[in-house]
Amino acid sequence: AQSVTQPDIHITVSEGASLELRCNYSYGATPYLFWYVQSPGQGLQLLLKYFSGDTLVQGIKGFEAEFKRSQSSFNLRKPSVDWSDAAEYFCAVGTYGGATNKLIFGTGTLLAVQP
Amino acid sequence: DAMVIQNPRYQVTQFGKPVTLSCSQTLNHNVMYWYQQKSSQAPKLLFHYYDKDFNNEADTPDNFQSRRPNTSFCFLDIRSPGLGDAAMYLCATSRDRAMNEQYFGPGTRLTVT
Repeated sequence: AQSVTQPDIHITVSEGASLELRCNYSYGATPYLFWYVQSPGQGLQLLLKYFSGDTLVQGIKGFEAEFKRSQSSFNLRKPSVDWSDAAEYFCAVGTYGGATNKLIFGTGTLLAVQP
Repeated sequence: DAMVIQNPRYQVTQFGKPVTLSCSQTLNHNVMYWYQQKSSQAPKLLFHYYDKDFNNEADTPDNFQSRRPNTSFCFLDIRSPGLGDAAMYLCATSRDRAMNEQYFGPGTRLTVT
Protein backbone atom coordinates (compact mmCIF):
# COMPACT_ATOMS: atom_id res chain seq x y z
CA ALA A 1 0.00 0.00 0.00
CA GLN A 2 1.11 3.53 -0.69
CA SER A 3 2.34 5.52 2.28
CA VAL A 4 4.39 8.57 3.21
CA THR A 5 6.60 8.91 6.25
CA GLN A 6 7.86 12.17 7.68
CA PRO A 7 10.20 11.11 10.49
CA ASP A 8 10.51 14.54 12.11
CA ILE A 9 7.39 15.70 13.91
CA HIS A 10 8.88 19.00 15.02
CA ILE A 11 12.00 20.91 13.94
CA THR A 12 13.42 24.19 15.22
CA VAL A 13 15.96 26.15 13.20
CA SER A 14 17.50 29.56 13.57
CA GLU A 15 16.65 32.32 11.16
CA GLY A 16 19.18 32.28 8.34
CA ALA A 17 20.13 28.64 8.87
CA SER A 18 19.61 25.96 6.26
CA LEU A 19 16.71 23.54 6.41
CA GLU A 20 16.08 19.99 5.33
CA LEU A 21 12.78 18.22 5.95
CA ARG A 22 12.73 14.50 5.35
CA CYS A 23 10.14 12.53 3.45
CA ASN A 24 10.13 8.83 2.56
CA TYR A 25 7.47 7.19 0.47
CA SER A 26 6.30 3.72 -0.37
CA TYR A 27 4.84 3.33 -3.83
CA GLY A 28 4.99 0.53 -6.37
CA ALA A 29 5.33 2.60 -9.50
CA THR A 30 6.92 5.91 -10.45
CA PRO A 31 5.70 8.26 -7.76
CA TYR A 32 4.11 11.63 -8.14
CA LEU A 33 5.40 13.65 -5.19
CA PHE A 34 4.33 16.91 -3.63
CA TRP A 35 5.26 19.23 -0.80
CA TYR A 36 2.58 21.44 0.71
CA VAL A 37 2.86 24.09 3.42
CA GLN A 38 0.13 24.99 5.90
CA SER A 39 0.21 28.15 8.00
CA PRO A 40 -1.82 28.12 11.23
CA GLY A 41 -5.56 28.09 10.58
CA GLN A 42 -5.07 28.06 6.81
CA GLY A 43 -5.42 25.67 3.93
CA LEU A 44 -2.54 23.96 2.17
CA GLN A 45 -0.38 25.70 -0.40
CA LEU A 46 1.65 23.79 -2.96
CA LEU A 47 5.39 24.40 -2.67
CA LEU A 48 6.59 22.09 -5.44
CA LYS A 49 5.93 18.82 -7.20
CA TYR A 50 7.84 16.06 -8.94
CA PHE A 51 6.31 14.07 -11.77
CA SER A 52 9.30 13.10 -13.91
CA GLY A 53 12.52 14.46 -15.39
CA ASP A 54 15.09 16.41 -13.42
CA THR A 55 15.24 14.97 -9.93
CA LEU A 56 15.98 18.35 -8.37
CA VAL A 57 12.87 20.49 -8.49
CA GLN A 58 12.52 24.14 -7.63
CA GLY A 59 9.48 25.55 -5.92
CA ILE A 60 8.10 28.75 -4.55
CA LYS A 61 9.54 30.75 -1.66
CA GLY A 62 13.08 29.51 -2.37
CA PHE A 63 12.37 25.85 -1.61
CA GLU A 64 13.73 22.89 -3.54
CA ALA A 65 13.40 19.14 -3.24
CA GLU A 66 15.39 16.22 -4.55
CA PHE A 67 13.85 12.93 -5.64
CA LYS A 68 16.09 9.94 -4.87
CA ARG A 69 14.57 6.74 -6.17
CA SER A 70 17.21 4.52 -4.55
CA GLN A 71 16.34 5.92 -1.13
CA SER A 72 12.61 6.37 -1.76
CA SER A 73 13.02 9.91 -0.54
CA PHE A 74 11.87 13.37 -1.51
CA ASN A 75 13.50 15.73 0.98
CA LEU A 76 12.67 19.43 1.06
CA ARG A 77 15.46 21.98 1.43
CA LYS A 78 15.95 25.68 1.79
CA PRO A 79 19.38 27.32 2.07
CA SER A 80 18.33 30.14 4.40
CA VAL A 81 15.18 30.08 6.50
CA ASP A 82 13.11 33.16 7.16
CA TRP A 83 10.78 33.69 10.14
CA SER A 84 7.84 33.57 7.74
CA ASP A 85 8.68 29.93 6.95
CA ALA A 86 7.37 28.82 10.34
CA ALA A 87 4.49 26.50 9.43
CA GLU A 88 3.59 22.86 9.02
CA TYR A 89 4.95 21.03 6.01
CA PHE A 90 3.29 18.01 4.43
CA CYS A 91 4.80 15.61 1.94
CA ALA A 92 2.33 13.72 -0.23
CA VAL A 93 2.33 11.01 -2.88
CA GLY A 94 -0.20 11.06 -5.68
CA THR A 95 -2.07 7.90 -6.50
CA TYR A 96 -5.12 6.80 -8.43
CA GLY A 97 -8.24 5.58 -6.72
CA GLY A 98 -11.92 5.74 -7.50
CA ALA A 99 -12.48 8.00 -10.47
CA THR A 100 -9.41 10.15 -10.31
CA ASN A 101 -6.18 11.13 -8.67
CA LYS A 102 -5.79 11.25 -4.89
CA LEU A 103 -3.14 12.40 -2.44
CA ILE A 104 -1.79 10.43 0.48
CA PHE A 105 -0.23 12.74 3.03
CA GLY A 106 2.49 12.23 5.57
CA THR A 107 1.81 13.25 9.15
CA GLY A 108 3.59 16.57 8.71
CA THR A 109 6.61 18.35 10.16
CA LEU A 110 6.05 21.44 12.24
CA LEU A 111 8.78 23.99 11.67
CA ALA A 112 9.62 26.62 14.27
CA VAL A 113 12.05 29.44 13.46
CA GLN A 114 13.93 31.13 16.24
CA PRO A 115 15.61 34.54 15.98
CA ASP B 1 -7.97 35.61 -8.84
CA ALA B 2 -9.15 32.09 -9.45
CA MET B 3 -9.53 30.33 -6.17
CA VAL B 4 -11.21 27.90 -3.81
CA ILE B 5 -13.55 29.50 -1.29
CA GLN B 6 -14.95 27.93 1.82
CA ASN B 7 -17.78 29.23 3.95
CA PRO B 8 -18.03 29.72 6.76
CA ARG B 9 -14.46 29.84 8.04
CA TYR B 10 -15.63 28.92 11.53
CA GLN B 11 -18.74 26.92 12.37
CA VAL B 12 -20.09 25.98 15.76
CA THR B 13 -22.81 23.36 15.97
CA GLN B 14 -24.44 21.38 18.72
CA PHE B 15 -24.05 17.68 19.25
CA GLY B 16 -26.44 15.91 16.89
CA LYS B 17 -27.52 19.05 15.01
CA PRO B 18 -27.04 18.75 11.23
CA VAL B 19 -24.53 21.10 9.69
CA THR B 20 -23.55 21.96 6.13
CA LEU B 21 -20.20 23.31 4.98
CA SER B 22 -19.82 25.00 1.64
CA CYS B 23 -17.08 25.09 -0.97
CA SER B 24 -17.00 26.98 -4.24
CA GLN B 25 -14.35 27.31 -6.91
CA THR B 26 -13.65 29.67 -9.78
CA LEU B 27 -11.01 27.41 -11.34
CA ASN B 28 -13.53 25.43 -13.38
CA HIS B 29 -11.90 22.21 -12.21
CA ASN B 30 -13.62 18.89 -12.74
CA VAL B 31 -12.63 17.28 -9.45
CA MET B 32 -13.55 18.43 -5.96
CA TYR B 33 -12.38 16.83 -2.72
CA TRP B 34 -13.31 17.01 0.95
CA TYR B 35 -10.71 16.33 3.61
CA GLN B 36 -10.98 16.14 7.36
CA GLN B 37 -7.97 17.33 9.34
CA LYS B 38 -7.84 16.87 13.08
CA SER B 39 -5.39 18.76 15.23
CA SER B 40 -1.75 17.94 14.46
CA GLN B 41 -2.73 15.30 11.91
CA ALA B 42 -2.51 14.91 8.18
CA PRO B 43 -5.55 15.68 6.04
CA LYS B 44 -7.71 12.60 5.56
CA LEU B 45 -9.71 12.25 2.37
CA LEU B 46 -13.43 11.75 2.98
CA PHE B 47 -14.72 11.67 -0.63
CA HIS B 48 -14.36 13.29 -3.99
CA TYR B 49 -16.36 14.12 -7.08
CA TYR B 50 -15.16 13.77 -10.62
CA ASP B 51 -17.73 15.89 -12.36
CA LYS B 52 -20.96 14.37 -11.04
CA ASP B 53 -19.43 11.00 -10.14
CA PHE B 54 -19.23 10.60 -6.39
CA ASN B 55 -16.47 8.51 -4.81
CA ASN B 56 -16.60 7.71 -1.13
CA GLU B 57 -13.56 6.54 0.80
CA ALA B 58 -14.12 3.12 2.35
CA ASP B 59 -13.64 4.35 5.90
CA THR B 60 -15.73 7.53 5.67
CA PRO B 61 -18.59 7.30 8.17
CA ASP B 62 -22.17 7.30 6.87
CA ASN B 63 -22.72 10.41 8.94
CA PHE B 64 -20.86 12.37 6.24
CA GLN B 65 -22.57 13.13 2.96
CA SER B 66 -21.77 15.38 0.04
CA ARG B 67 -23.57 17.15 -2.78
CA ARG B 68 -22.29 18.78 -5.92
CA PRO B 69 -25.14 20.60 -7.63
CA ASN B 70 -22.90 22.12 -10.32
CA THR B 71 -19.25 22.44 -11.32
CA SER B 72 -18.59 25.37 -9.01
CA PHE B 73 -20.14 24.24 -5.74
CA CYS B 74 -19.73 21.31 -3.40
CA PHE B 75 -21.27 20.79 0.04
CA LEU B 76 -20.34 18.65 2.99
CA ASP B 77 -23.27 17.59 5.15
CA ILE B 78 -22.75 16.12 8.59
CA ARG B 79 -26.06 14.58 9.58
CA SER B 80 -25.50 14.12 13.30
CA PRO B 81 -22.22 15.66 14.42
CA GLY B 82 -20.46 14.06 17.33
CA LEU B 83 -17.70 15.50 19.46
CA GLY B 84 -15.22 13.47 17.45
CA ASP B 85 -16.19 15.32 14.28
CA ALA B 86 -14.66 18.56 15.51
CA ALA B 87 -11.91 19.29 13.00
CA MET B 88 -10.76 21.47 10.15
CA TYR B 89 -12.55 20.57 6.92
CA LEU B 90 -10.62 21.30 3.75
CA CYS B 91 -12.00 21.51 0.26
CA ALA B 92 -9.68 21.03 -2.69
CA THR B 93 -9.94 20.94 -6.47
CA SER B 94 -8.02 19.31 -9.26
CA ARG B 95 -8.21 20.10 -12.95
CA ASP B 96 -9.09 16.63 -14.14
CA ARG B 97 -8.59 12.96 -13.42
CA ALA B 98 -4.99 12.95 -14.58
CA MET B 99 -2.30 13.38 -11.96
CA ASN B 100 -1.83 17.00 -11.08
CA GLU B 101 -1.74 19.23 -8.07
CA GLN B 102 -4.70 19.94 -5.85
CA TYR B 103 -5.68 23.48 -4.90
CA PHE B 104 -6.93 23.92 -1.37
CA GLY B 105 -9.34 26.34 0.19
CA PRO B 106 -8.63 27.97 3.57
CA GLY B 107 -10.74 25.44 5.44
CA THR B 108 -13.70 25.54 7.82
CA ARG B 109 -12.98 24.97 11.50
CA LEU B 110 -15.91 23.01 12.97
CA THR B 111 -16.56 23.03 16.69
CA VAL B 112 -19.14 20.68 18.22
CA THR B 113 -20.56 21.63 21.61
